Amino acid sequence: DTEVTQTPKHLVMGMTNKKSLKCEQHMGHRAMYWYKQKAKKPPELMFVYSYEKLSINESVPSRFSPECPNSSLLNLHLHALQPEDSALYLCASKTGPLSYEQYFGPGTRLTVT
Amino acid sequence: GIQVEQSPPDLILQEGANSTLRCNFSDSVNNLQWFHQNPWGQLINLFYIPSGTKQNGRLSATTVATERYSLLYISSSQTTDSGVYFCAVQTGANNLFFGTGTRLTVIP
Repeated sequence: DTEVTQTPKHLVMGMTNKKSLKCEQHMGHRAMYWYKQKAKKPPELMFVYSYEKLSINESVPSRFSPECPNSSLLNLHLHALQPEDSALYLCASKTGPLSYEQYFGPGTRLTVT
Repeated sequence: GIQVEQSPPDLILQEGANSTLRCNFSDSVNNLQWFHQNPWGQLINLFYIPSGTKQNGRLSATTVATERYSLLYISSSQTTDSGVYFCAVQTGANNLFFGTGTRLTVIP
């Protein structure tokens, strides 16, 4: 089983709202990722967690706050977003930081109004 | 950083036709993956292929690491093959970096 799940599938939020995106995998993977993808562009890395610790933050604004409460779960907390943050947010995982093949979830399509 | 270029950027095929997508990269890589992103946004793993040749049904891929390119072959294309094809590469301990993609449309 190579499944990564993400909820919700779609999210519409106002600029003053607080919401969270959730990502889950039960493959025993110990490296998990958040990517952001704008329309007609490739995915861009936001955050990397290795063994539940944040190892990479690609200069992402503080209105995005990641959290890894356990080895199966990754959250992305959203607060005071801007309309330009509207995008597809993808979660991915792989066996460990030194392994290679990444597996992606279906994404959450976020619209900020 | 590494440069990853994909060609062609757009491709329109009649159902049943064959095609070749290309990915050029500017540095040595220890990981290369091909993905298909369907119209709903899901990135589907096609191949993990840092070198050599692999086949899976109507799809096959070849990476020539010494010449820094990879090819994805699609034979007997179907409308369900439509979407965007990305190659993504990793160098050393760095993370996956995506190419610009090839948008494929297969018409019946």
